[in-house]
This record gives sequence, structure tokens and C-alpha cells, in this order.
Amino acid sequence: AQTVTQSQPEMSVQEAETVTLSCTYDTSESDYYLFWYKQPPSRQMILVIRQEAYKQQNATENRFSVNFQKAAKSFSLKISDSQLGDAAMYFCAYRRSRVEDKLIFGTGTRLQVFP
Amino acid sequence: GAGVSQSPRYKVAKRGQDVALRCDPISGHVSLFWYQQALGQGPEFLTYFQNEAQLDKSGLPSDRFFAERPEGSVSTLKIQRTQQEDSAVYLCASSYRSGAAFFGQGTRLTVV
Repeated sequence: AQTVTQSQPEMSVQEAETVTLSCTYDTSESDYYLFWYKQPPSRQMILVIRQEAYKQQNATENRFSVNFQKAAKSFSLKISDSQLGDAAMYFCAYRRSRVEDKLIFGTGTRLQVFP
Repeated sequence: GAGVSQSPRYKVAKRGQDVALRCDPISGHVSLFWYQQALGQGPEFLTYFQNEAQLDKSGLPSDRFFAERPEGSVSTLKIQRTQQEDSAVYLCASSYRSGAAFFGQGTRLTVV
């Protein structure tokens, strides 16, 4: 069975600084997707970034980038130039390649951003 | 609508009461998922629909949980004879083809 592990329950960063959130996963599949979702107090899960396992290039979305290490089964999220609005719970998620497959989530990392 | 809409946003139920939670997915999204998120945890899968067909219900915790999507659009998650352990946030998500899932704001269910 696939599992997703986030070993950092809480992280903090100062505004304008960079922070990295860790995620590891376990799977025997070769083709899959990995996601980072942000969940603010409003509860809505917001997609931050997506990585297809067959792509070697790390995904980037503005201030958000990932370090995808397929052999190590590691998928970390780097947030550059942190902003107060980045404060939220961040969840790493795994999905097999088929669209009908469910997301498997980690337990989340609470990110605090200090001015 | 522009996003996934869930109602109600909050529901308080007395133990033993039946509840119905509604999800209105993004127009044109074939796939619809329900997740349950306990306090301080990540969401856990409950069930999946492709159009009106329920293709996976392996995550439903008991036969008190029932979901339907009769016309392949709006979905309802029903919980019969609610118990305290059912208290959680229930999230609905929809997706199109191989795209990422888009989530609603969830329904917070509190069973007292």
C-alpha cells in the first residue's frame, strides 16, 4: 500500500525568507503524481504544485518549487520569499497515474510566517 | 459555478440523527471524490464517482455511510444514525481527466 509521510508537524519562517517542507512516500508503482496542497483556516484545499513522476525536471510555480528525488522517494516543497499569506497547513499527496485513483495524503505541516 | 461548492458549511447533529451533505462539482468534471478529515489529520478517502457510477467505495467506514450522484453532477453523502466518531470535516473534490483535484470548502460535522 502507498503511504505518505510528513515528518515536520510545524515549521516557521520569517517573511521574505525561504523554507523547505519535507515529504517522503512509499510506492511500488513507477508512474504516479505527487501534489502539494495548502489548507488555510477556511478549510479549502488549494493546489500549490504538481509533479508527474516520469518528468525529471522539478516543477515550479512562481515562488513555489519542488525537489523531486524519485529514487529516494522524496518530494520536498520550497517556498521562496515567504509571505504572511503563505501561513497554512500544507499537505503532501500521492496519486497513482489513473485519474480515478484517490489521493493519499500525509498528516500535514503547519507553516507559520512571522513578520 | 466556478469552483466546487459544498453545503452546509457547518452541521451540528444529535447522536442518532441522519445527515445529508451536498457537493456541487465544477461543471464538466467527470470524477468526484469524498474525503473525511479528522481534526489534525490529513484527508482520508471515502468514495469515488465517475459520472453517476460509484466505482470505489472502499473508504466508507461503515454501512451507515451512503453516497450517490444520480445524474452525474451533484453528489450527496448521507450518514445514518450519526455517532460521535463521525465528527469531522467532509471534503468533496472533482477533477477532469488526468488533472489535479479541486476541492470545496468542506462541511464541518459535529455530532453531540
